[in-house]
Amino acid sequence: NAGVMQNPRHLVRRRGQEARLRCSPMKGHSHVYWYRQLPEEGLKFMVYLQKENIIDESGMPKERFSAEFPKEGPSILRIQQVVRGDSAAYFCASSRYHAGNGARDYGYTFGSGTRLTVV
Amino acid sequence: KNEVEQSPQNLTAQEGEFITINCSYSVGISALHWLQQHPGGGIVSLFMLSSGKKKHGRLIATINIQEKHSSLHITASHPRDSAVYICAVRAGNQFYFGTGTSLTVIP
Repeated sequence: NAGVMQNPRHLVRRRGQEARLRCSPMKGHSHVYWYRQLPEEGLKFMVYLQKENIIDESGMPKERFSAEFPKEGPSILRIQQVVRGDSAAYFCASSRYHAGNGARDYGYTFGSGTRLTVV
Repeated sequence: KNEVEQSPQNLTAQEGEFITINCSYSVGISALHWLQQHPGGGIVSLFMLSSGKKKHGRLIATINIQEKHSSLHITASHPRDSAVYICAVRAGNQFYFGTGTSLTVIP
């Protein structure tokens, strides 16, 4: 039972290129969350998705960033026309249940992250 | 002001010491997580709490909902416990994170 799988682990892009980060949730998990950790800063929520739906993207920059979680396949975080400020660690997490279930164990699990470096 | 405040920011302990990391939050939450991040590594979810106390091995986590406060305790600390410990609270669809406590346990 593999955990949350993120790939690639490390990604180097030149300014202006596109970066695609993949996240395969744990088996049985239909909720995916993306977070960004800038150097020397804490984690920040970006987007919450269920299969084929974006539930909350309030933490995602309005331009150049997009996320999807198709019916089949991994969740993808796409950054177009990357800039140096996009260099960060991007973490994905998945869970079985929706937020607000209180004491229920929704099996929230993080991936190991993708470290994006823009040169 | 951050929704989640952790203290201390940095902590150095001798092997075997009892360690406490504190977390205070200002939003209404459905759950609180304690996470562990090793240098350059991924993130491991240690505990999810919505009330009371949980124990796993040498780790104990407590939460006081009325006071909006949680603590993570490590008993008989070991150098392999050296990591950043992050408090995260879930409010609605979002998580809010503390900036982490960097723990170093010296042999």
